[in-house]
Amino acid sequence: EDQVTQSPEALRLQEGESSSLNCSYTVSGLRGLFWYRQDPGKGPEFLFTLYSAGEEKEKERLKATLTKKESFLHITAPKPEDSATYLCAVQENTGGFKTIFGAGTRLFVKA
Amino acid sequence: ETGVTQSPTHLIKTRGQQVTLRCSSQSGHNTVSWYQQALGQGPQFIFQYYREEENGRGNFPPRFSGLQFPNYSSELNVNALELDDSALYLCASGGPNTGELFFGEGSRLTVL
Repeated sequence: EDQVTQSPEALRLQEGESSSLNCSYTVSGLRGLFWYRQDPGKGPEFLFTLYSAGEEKEKERLKATLTKKESFLHITAPKPEDSATYLCAVQENTGGFKTIFGAGTRLFVKA
Repeated sequence: ETGVTQSPTHLIKTRGQQVTLRCSSQSGHNTVSWYQQALGQGPQFIFQYYREEENGRGNFPPRFSGLQFPNYSSELNVNALELDDSALYLCASGGPNTGELFFGEGSRLTVL
């Protein structure tokens, strides 16, 4: 069964303190791995898609990387506005577009 | 803004009742999927529609059903509501060849 596990559950950082969020996954055939940001009371907002091991994507202070078993979301010099829940999700390549989400990492960045 | 709109934003129902949630997808996106998100959890896949036909379903009972219409709108229907159905229900649309999803703001359902 496809599974997505994110760690840590919550992360508290000082402004400017870089860190990484982890997403480990089990899927029979990976079509794509996705990162989303979700603010309280809002729907998830798409950030990145990664398709194959070794691939990297960057957007402002965020950088996502992918290996065969896990993905990392690196946050460089975070700001308070980066505070949100970050969700990792996978799609398998067996037809359809069923997306399996992890439980998310809640990030708090203090000024 | 994603262009995906959902209604209503909040609603309260009692156990045993039925509810219909609505979604208007982004123009040009012919897939729509619905997710249930309990507090503190990630979204759980309910089902997906492609060109008005269901083409994927998660571990949800048949009392969860849906429809997709030609005008990019869709519905999620839940019959015989249970207390555990209380959650944020998210609608997401996507293009035919990309996997990324564009979510609406969700409908917050409370079952008493």
